[in-house]
Amino acid sequence: GQQVMQIPQYQHVQEGEDFTTYCNSSTTLSNIQWYKQRPGGHPVFLIQLVKSGEVKKQKRLTFQFGEAKKNSSLHITATQTTDVGTYFCAGQPFYGGATNKLIFGTGTLLAVQP
Amino acid sequence: DADVTQTPRNRITKTGKRIMLECSQTKGHDRMYWYRQDPGLGLRLIYYSFDVKDINKGEISDGYSVSRQAQAKFSLSLESAIPNQTALYFCATSDFVGQERGTFNTGELFFGEGSRLTVL
Repeated sequence: GQQVMQIPQYQHVQEGEDFTTYCNSSTTLSNIQWYKQRPGGHPVFLIQLVKSGEVKKQKRLTFQFGEAKKNSSLHITATQTTDVGTYFCAGQPFYGGATNKLIFGTGTLLAVQP
Repeated sequence: DADVTQTPRNRITKTGKRIMLECSQTKGHDRMYWYRQDPGLGLRLIYYSFDVKDINKGEISDGYSVSRQAQAKFSLSLESAIPNQTALYFCATSDFVGQERGTFNTGELFFGEGSRLTVL
């Protein structure tokens, strides 16, 4: 079946260090979304990427969508304690026709030590 | 008030019991979803509905059923709960974004606060 894998599963960094999580799909994606879930909270939408090779920035966060639209990454520059949480990617598979499922990755839990 | 409301927030039940989780939304979205979250497995889609007359199975629909009572309400039922259905359940809504090359892009998902279910 369709799979969206994320690595690493867990990352512990010192405050100020950079952080990157990678998302890989077994199938081509129509688009990919990223969500953040704070401990004890619910997932909150961060961004959606649609175009091949697209790069978007939100302050210290940089999102990339691969040229083949099968992988994506989220990079955080100079982490802060407020970045703590689990980051999920979610891809919408594309099979040359309408497909409406959003498949979530397994998530990366980020811990930031002050 | 939250735009997507789930009840109950926490529930402990016994094996074999029937459980209903309810979701209501004030966002006016046609699309509603039920996801299950387990540690290390991310969020897995149980059922989704694109309007009141539309119900679709997700990745893990076995043991679950749903009802879309109105545009704003989407409930998830466990007819006979079992321990491996212990999990955190999320309801979500989205709006239709648009069509690109035959694919209907799913817009941003808005999640409820979650319902933590424990089956003993």
